Amino acid sequence: GAGVSQSPRYKVAKRGQDVALRCDPISGHVSLFWYQQALGQGPEFLTYFQNEAQLDKSGLPSDRFFAERPEGSVSTLKIQRTQQEDSAVYLCASSLPRRYSSNQPQNFGDGTRLSIL
Amino acid sequence: KQEVTQIPAALSVPEGENLVLNCSFTDSAIYNLQWFRQDPGKGLTSLLLIQSSQREQTSGRLNASLDKSSGRSTLYIAASQPGDSATYLCAAIKAAGNKLTFGGGTRVLVKP
Repeated sequence: GAGVSQSPRYKVAKRGQDVALRCDPISGHVSLFWYQQALGQGPEFLTYFQNEAQLDKSGLPSDRFFAERPEGSVSTLKIQRTQQEDSAVYLCASSLPRRYSSNQPQNFGDGTRLSIL
Repeated sequence: KQEVTQIPAALSVPEGENLVLNCSFTDSAIYNLQWFRQDPGKGLTSLLLIQSSQREQTSGRLNASLDKSSGRSTLYIAASQPGDSATYLCAAIKAAGNKLTFGGGTRVLVKP
């Protein structure tokens, strides 16, 4: 497809388990963002990649959260030892870098809804 | 630190009425401001993007204004339709390629 693809769409895990969430950005997009959206709230920034380089991880809430993009395309967000407060929708977005367009909206996937029991 | 606020959190209007959605931000040093629509269980769809040098953008029934000096943006939706029912989010970006800072959203219901 032409859009940002995220999998799985839904994930249920028991507290303490590790989870991995996948994001396939739009082909050719070099910038990739992860956001966390709690129920009834706006998304909050987690981390940002340009190609394979993680340029900003200031939004990751704890060291249990880890993101990677080893080949500069697909990205994985991993949460270790999940807690109930990790329950949220995790959104991925991709965009082109500035030198290609000064008007570069981020394109969002449908998200992964994570529920921790 | 940039803070973005959207008031009201929810809005219900009869079909045909114009919608006015408000967004305020604390740091006027923004690169651009975006308005998004989010349907239940879905991701975000970009509606309008206003560059910091612009004062407004229009697309069909949608018009968004930006007043950096007062830290405000307003999204107008003319002649609302039931299909406009969704959550509308605004987000400010400080620099090109940088992260979006979102407001909490306004949940809109347009009643037939």
